[in-house]
Amino acid sequence: EPEVTQTPSHQVTQMGQEVILRCVPISNHLYFYWYRQILGQKVEFLVSFYNNEISEKSEIFDDQFSVERPDGSNFTLKIRSTKLEDSAMYFCASSQFRTYEQYFGPGTRLTVT
Amino acid sequence: QKEVEQNSGPLSVPEGAIASLNCTYSDRGSQSFFWYRQYSGKSPELIMFIYSNGDKEDGRFTAQLNKASQYVSLLIRDSQPSDSATYLCAVNPYEDYGGSQGNLIFGKGTKLSVKP
Repeated sequence: EPEVTQTPSHQVTQMGQEVILRCVPISNHLYFYWYRQILGQKVEFLVSFYNNEISEKSEIFDDQFSVERPDGSNFTLKIRSTKLEDSAMYFCASSQFRTYEQYFGPGTRLTVT
Repeated sequence: QKEVEQNSGPLSVPEGAIASLNCTYSDRGSQSFFWYRQYSGKSPELIMFIYSNGDKEDGRFTAQLNKASQYVSLLIRDSQPSDSATYLCAVNPYEDYGGSQGNLIFGKGTKLSVKP
């Protein structure tokens, strides 16, 4: 059964450093998403991506964040200068169409020290 | 502010019983509704989706949607200890200018505990 994969599973970085989180969405899906979940809190939407451009983004997704689809399979989230409050689980998800069911990857736990 | 509300629980049911999980949403225009299961430290796993008013059954799971009341529920029949997890309700919001949006708004989740 196809699934979303994410790497790394855990990333530790120092405040101010850049991090890139990687995702491989399900191959026939067209819409890609990033969400985050701070420990003990709800899952929050960051950004959606379709046809090589951002289609929606939340207030959390400020200039420190960017997304890219560098090739036909990978989808990345870059945080330019990490802050302590960026520590969270980051989930990638994909769906076949815009409001269809979204399938989540296993997540990357980002720890900023 | 578009919201999805769930009782945080914990909801405790004995093994073999029916677990009933409820969710209300604020966005009257929402069209797509999802239930995810999340084990501690893991990612959300899709277990049900529903787009039309009424009931939708899949194995031991039944999702119920009432758009007029802005209410969606999940019933788990013959609950098993392995069903113990946090259940997340999620909704696609609707924007007047753009229609149904792709992003999901999640509730805080209801923690379910199934006792053997």
